[in-house]
Amino acid sequence: DVKVTQSSRYLVKRTGEKVFLECVQDMDHENMFWYRQDPGLGLRLIYFSYDVKMKEKGDIPEGYSVSREKKERFSLILESASTNQTSMYLCASSLSARSEAFFGQGTRLTVV
Amino acid sequence: AQKVTQAQTEISVVEKEDVTLDCVYETRDTTYYLFWYKQPPSGELVFLIRRNSFDEQNEISGRYSWNFQKSTSSFNFTITASQVVDSAVYFCALSEEETSGSRLTFGEGTQLTVNP
Repeated sequence: DVKVTQSSRYLVKRTGEKVFLECVQDMDHENMFWYRQDPGLGLRLIYFSYDVKMKEKGDIPEGYSVSREKKERFSLILESASTNQTSMYLCASSLSARSEAFFGQGTRLTVV
Repeated sequence: AQKVTQAQTEISVVEKEDVTLDCVYETRDTTYYLFWYKQPPSGELVFLIRRNSFDEQNEISGRYSWNFQKSTSSFNFTITASQVVDSAVYFCALSEEETSGSRLTFGEGTQLTVNP
């Protein structure tokens, strides 16, 4: 059974903290993605990675960075958390552009 | 740049009605892939269907059908004889193979509510 696992379901962090969201996939997929989901805005792409150590900005990369040191792991970093980064964060992976993406269960992040 | 638009934010129907969810996309590539996903109240996204840009055949799977038209850049999804269990948010997505990697872009989603 294919799996994308996000390290936390719920997180509460303080403004200004550095926050790490971790995502691991066990399918040997090339592509990994980070999205945030907000009501009425759908899934907005923050960053994606197509190979180890390779990354590309998505549509809303400001305030975020990513790391992919190993193929199976893709980390999203909030350098200095702000209240407008309170959201649901979804990680996904796919084998290629023509393949469906598999999603993690999501991390509900609240920044106070 | 790629873009997906789902203009219908919310749709509410009564059980057994047919309902069509619209999806319009923009891309400069000649090779691309379109997807539909379902997000039930539990929150986990479920893959429904994939279409590539060279295959304009419509597809039917049980009560679900998809209409892909390159001429209008649309990939619409119809549920026939809707059921309460169809209540969910539905997302349309577009994937391109760019020079570097495979960007996957989603639309805003359509919240479908099927009332008994």
